[in-house]
Amino acid sequence: LAKTTQPISMDSYEGQEVNITCSHNNIATNDYITWYQQFPSQGPRFIIQGYKTKVTNEVASLFIPADRKSSTLSLPRVSLSDTAVYYCLVGESSGGYQKVTFGTGTKLQVIP
Amino acid sequence: GAVVSQHPSRVICKSGTSVKIECRSLDFQATTMFWYRQFPKKSLMLMATSNEGSKATYEQGVEKDKFLINHASLTLSTLTVTSAHPEDSSFYICSARQEVNQPQHFGDGTRLSIL
Repeated sequence: LAKTTQPISMDSYEGQEVNITCSHNNIATNDYITWYQQFPSQGPRFIIQGYKTKVTNEVASLFIPADRKSSTLSLPRVSLSDTAVYYCLVGESSGGYQKVTFGTGTKLQVIP
Repeated sequence: GAVVSQHPSRVICKSGTSVKIECRSLDFQATTMFWYRQFPKKSLMLMATSNEGSKATYEQGVEKDKFLINHASLTLSTLTVTSAHPEDSSFYICSARQEVNQPQHFGDGTRLSIL
């Protein structure tokens, strides 16, 4: 089963670009990579999903190298409201169904 | 799109009570729903996975008779915490997914407090 490893925490000043990298050395051929954001006492919110190369949407970009053993979430020009925990998830196939396991996540603190 | 509604958002009840939490996908059909538990300042812990019309698959260490999961339709799953005790107090979160390799969409969680 693919496990993920992320930095426990990061600090960034407002207006800066933030890159959070996730390692997933055992990713399977069929697995997608998904990133979520979670605020305290709320459920995680979907940010972006990708399989390979680069994916961009209105809030973030996701960079995935050719070997797919890692991925980087890029948040452009963060604001104080981006302070949250960010989780990288990799799909897992087990027993005929697919599930994902949450790792520790990265607590991002945006500083004024 | 992709809205998941979880109800109730907060429950406070006496020890021994059974509590039912509902999870609904409002604008899509969810072939799979997941139930998680989260302790303060910790990550989400998967409790069980359920596919519509079949029995839930529980993670190791999760008592299936304690945490009853029903996924009777493509838009509704319920988690019943039976005979709840203070150690069952936690933040419970559901998610729903339309198809394999599509992202999960999460409810806003239920804060369960057992007195």
